[in-house]
Amino acid sequence: QKEVEQDPGPLSVPEGAIVSLNCTYSNSAFQYFMWYRQYSRKGPELLMYTYSSGNKEDGRFTAQVDKSSKYISLFIRDSQPSDSATYLCAMGGQGYSTLTFGKGTMLLVSP
Amino acid sequence: GAGVSQTPSNKVTEKGKYVELRCDPISGHTALYWYRQSLGQGPEFLIYFQGTGAADDSGLPNDRFFAVRPEGSVSTLKIQRTERGDSAVYLCASSPTRDTGELFFGEGSRLTVL
Repeated sequence: QKEVEQDPGPLSVPEGAIVSLNCTYSNSAFQYFMWYRQYSRKGPELLMYTYSSGNKEDGRFTAQVDKSSKYISLFIRDSQPSDSATYLCAMGGQGYSTLTFGKGTMLLVSP
Repeated sequence: GAGVSQTPSNKVTEKGKYVELRCDPISGHTALYWYRQSLGQGPEFLIYFQGTGAADDSGLPNDRFFAVRPEGSVSTLKIQRTERGDSAVYLCASSPTRDTGELFFGEGSRLTVL
């Protein structure tokens, strides 16, 4: 079992839909959780950062972390064609040099 | 510039050749990371520098891969005797500190080994 599991998609939705993206993980030592957005042929850019369990909202984006279930989610409200990208979950913790990434989920929002 | 800069953006080489990929991190960022991203995969960790020293090189796949950061700023990833399986996008990221884990990525160097 990989440390971080993420459905690769693609996930196709119409403009205006609510999108739910998810990752599961196996390492209970992970303490901080991130979502990166990656456009085609570009580097990943940090979208949301959450420390430990809970919710965080930023505009149309909401990140949720459930450490008891080892499950994290990213919700996108009122999705736009410009949201079409690959969304990577990433996680890390104290004592870890760096982040462990999921495979990424490709999202396609059609006008 | 304000972001992480990587050169070249694209590199095509022949099997067996030597390749160098360069990363110029965000000014003042002490932590620097190299990742490799294959098609349809997430970034996979290669090596992490804190200042000039390699603090963790456990992700380097074999001894054909080597990276340096001699003055604590610019880093070079070096690949000897390239193989077709080395074809991937090599991503560099920097961070002001390793504590939060927030990484700022460059656009990557796309390596194709023929």
